[in-house]
Amino acid sequence: QVQLQESGPGLVKSSQTLPLTCTVSGGSISNGGYYWSWIRQHPGKGLEWVGSIYFSGKTSYNPSLKSRLTISLDTSKHQFSLNLSSVTAADTAVYYCASNWRLGNYFDYWGQGILVTVSS
Amino acid sequence: QSVLTQPPSVSGAPGQRVTISCTGSSSNIGAGYNAHWYQQLPGTAPKLLIHGNSYRPSGVPDRFSGSNSGTSASLAISGLQAEDEADYYCQSYDSSLSGWVFGGGTKLTVL
Repeated sequence: QVQLQESGPGLVKSSQTLPLTCTVSGGSISNGGYYWSWIRQHPGKGLEWVGSIYFSGKTSYNPSLKSRLTISLDTSKHQFSLNLSSVTAADTAVYYCASNWRLGNYFDYWGQGILVTVSS
Repeated sequence: QSVLTQPPSVSGAPGQRVTISCTGSSSNIGAGYNAHWYQQLPGTAPKLLIHGNSYRPSGVPDRFSGSNSGTSASLAISGLQAEDEADYYCQSYDSSLSGWVFGGGTKLTVL
């Protein structure tokens, strides 16, 4: 069974870049059947798809975040990463990494989530 | 505002049946993209509950069922139990946005 674990700073200063990493175990990050995705949840709110990356390096980003977002893949470390630049308080959220079964378009495995707070 | 529309809350007594609707449009559910459902218990990550409109992953009780019609999908929970109290989210793919979209979530209260 695939397991995912987020890591990164819990606190980021406004206007700086938020870096998060997701480590994948129990499955190959080079598995062509999956997109590797980031999803966030603002405090007390619903889920928002942030962006995804395929093993080939192809990325898909939420249009509302595209100008500030970079998602990358490191297959040697079994990791994929998110960098969100110029953060504001509106980026304060729990960030989840998840695997997205490509043929089904659904998120089958999720990390536990990491709370990131943007401070001024 | 979410691309997929869900009622903010539903409630039911133990043993009863409740349904949660998810209304989309011609660029997501109405375009033939499947609806999927997730259960989020308090303080935990979402868990896949239904995929492909009506398929249950291994381990999900058959009290949970899904269906879709036109631009909408529904999640039904029968034989309500206290442990079902959670937030439920629908999800699909949207061709206009070229990305995955979620409903705003529905909080289920077991009375």
